[in-house]
Amino acid sequence: KAGVTQTPRYLIKTRGQQVTLSCSPISGHRSVSWYQQTPGQGLQFLFEYFSETQRNKGNFPGRFSGRQFSNSRSEMNVSTLELGDSALYLCASSLGSTAGGPLHFGNGTRLTVT
Amino acid sequence: QQQVKQSPQSLIVQKGGISIINCAYENTAFDYFPWYQQFPGKGPALLIAIRPDVSEKKEGRFTISFNKSAKQFSLHIMDSQPGDSATYFCAASGGRSNYQLIWGAGTKLIIKP
Repeated sequence: KAGVTQTPRYLIKTRGQQVTLSCSPISGHRSVSWYQQTPGQGLQFLFEYFSETQRNKGNFPGRFSGRQFSNSRSEMNVSTLELGDSALYLCASSLGSTAGGPLHFGNGTRLTVT
Repeated sequence: QQQVKQSPQSLIVQKGGISIINCAYENTAFDYFPWYQQFPGKGPALLIAIRPDVSEKKEGRFTISFNKSAKQFSLHIMDSQPGDSATYFCAASGGRSNYQLIWGAGTKLIIKP
C-alpha cells in the first residue's frame, strides 16, 4: 500500500506570494490533517478534513486554508506569505471513522519564505 | 486543560542504557495516548500507543507506562541503540467526539555509541 504522498518536497516563495501544497492520503483513508512543524515549536495543528468537511481547526490565521476532494486528496493554501511561515508542513491521513486511530504522516513539504 | 507537557526537551543516553521520556496531561477525558517517532527528513510514525484501561504496554524494547491517577505517561526505551536517535512526541486525544490529537513539544533523543 502506498504511503502518504506530499508534493512538492521543497518550495521557495517570496513574502506576499501564495502557495498551495498537496497531499495524497493512503487509499481508503478519509481523514487528512495538516500540521506545521518549526524548530522548537513542535507540531502545530492546522486543520483536519473528513469526507470533504473540515472537522477540526487549529489556531492559525485565515491566511491558512484547506480543502479535501471527493477522492480524499487534500490541498492546503497559504496566502500573503510571511517570513514566519517558513516551516515543514506535514500531512497525515487516517481512517478517521473513530477517535484514537493511528495517523500516517507524509514526509512533508519544506517551505522557505524569503 | 488541553495541554500535554513533555519532558525533557532533549536527552543523551549511552548505548545500552534506558531512555525515559515523560508526559503529563490535565484533561481526564483523554483516552488514547500514542507515541510517535520522527527521524530527520521524515514525518512522524506511530511507535506505540496505550489506552487507560491498562497501566503498561510493551512492544519489543519500547514500553509505555501509564499512571491514571497522576495523569502521566512515559516512554521507556530499553537497551537504547544509536538507531533510536530521533525526536519523540507524545500525544493524547479523548472524548467521544474529539478526534484531534493534542501533542507534546517533542524530545530529541541522542544515543551515544
